[in-house]
Amino acid sequence: NAGVTQTPKFRILKIGQSMTLQCTQDMNHNYMYWYRQDPGMGLKLIYYSVGAGITDKGEVPNGYNVSRSTTEDFPLRLELAAPSQTSVYFCASTAGARTDTQYFGPGTRLTVL
Amino acid sequence: GESVGLHLPTLSVQEGDNSIINCAYSNSASDYFIWYKQESGKGPQFIIDIRSNMDKRQGQRVTVLLNKTVKHLSLQIAATQPGDSAVYFCAEKPYSGGSNYKLTFGKGTLLTVNP
Repeated sequence: NAGVTQTPKFRILKIGQSMTLQCTQDMNHNYMYWYRQDPGMGLKLIYYSVGAGITDKGEVPNGYNVSRSTTEDFPLRLELAAPSQTSVYFCASTAGARTDTQYFGPGTRLTVL
Repeated sequence: GESVGLHLPTLSVQEGDNSIINCAYSNSASDYFIWYKQESGKGPQFIIDIRSNMDKRQGQRVTVLLNKTVKHLSLQIAATQPGDSAVYFCAEKPYSGGSNYKLTFGKGTLLTVNP
C-alpha cells in the first residue's frame, strides 16, 4: 500500500491563479481530511469528508473548495490564490471509527506571490 | 473556543536521556488524545493514543500520561535517540454526542536530541 499520496510536492502560484491539490489514498478509508500548517503552528482543518459525495467545512474553509466523487480521491481546489494561502497542506485519512488513527500524506508546500 | 496547547515550544535533551513533552487541553469534553511526530519535510506520524478512561498507556519507548483533573497530557520518551528529533503534536477528539472525527492540534514542541 502506498498509503496517502499527495501531488504536487511544491508549487508557486501568482496571486489570483487557481490550482488543485491532489490527494489519493489506497486504504479504502471512508474519512478524508485537508489541513494546512503555517510555520511554527499546528494543523488547522480546512475541509473533511465522511464518504464519497459528502463533504463538510472545517475550521478554515474560506478560499477553498473540495469534492469527493470516489472513496480514493479528495482534491482541494484554490480558486483565487492569495498570499495568506501560503502554507503546507496535508491530506489525511482514517477508516472511520472514533479511535482510528489518521494517516497523513507527505504534504504540498504552496507559496503564493 | 476550546483549544489544545503546549507548555514548551522547544526541548533539547542529551542522547540517552528521557524526554518529557507536555500538553494542556481545555475542553473537558475531550475523551481521546493522540500524540503525533512530525519530522522535517514530512507529514505527522502517529505515535500513541489514549482514551479518557485511562491515565497511562505504554508503547515501545514511549508512555503517555493523562491527568484529567488538571487537563494535562504528557509524552515520555525513554532513552531518547537522535532519530527522535522532530516536532511533537498532541491532538484531541472531543466527544460531541455523535460521530466526531475532527482532530484539534496543539502548536507542537520541537525536540532536539544532542549527541
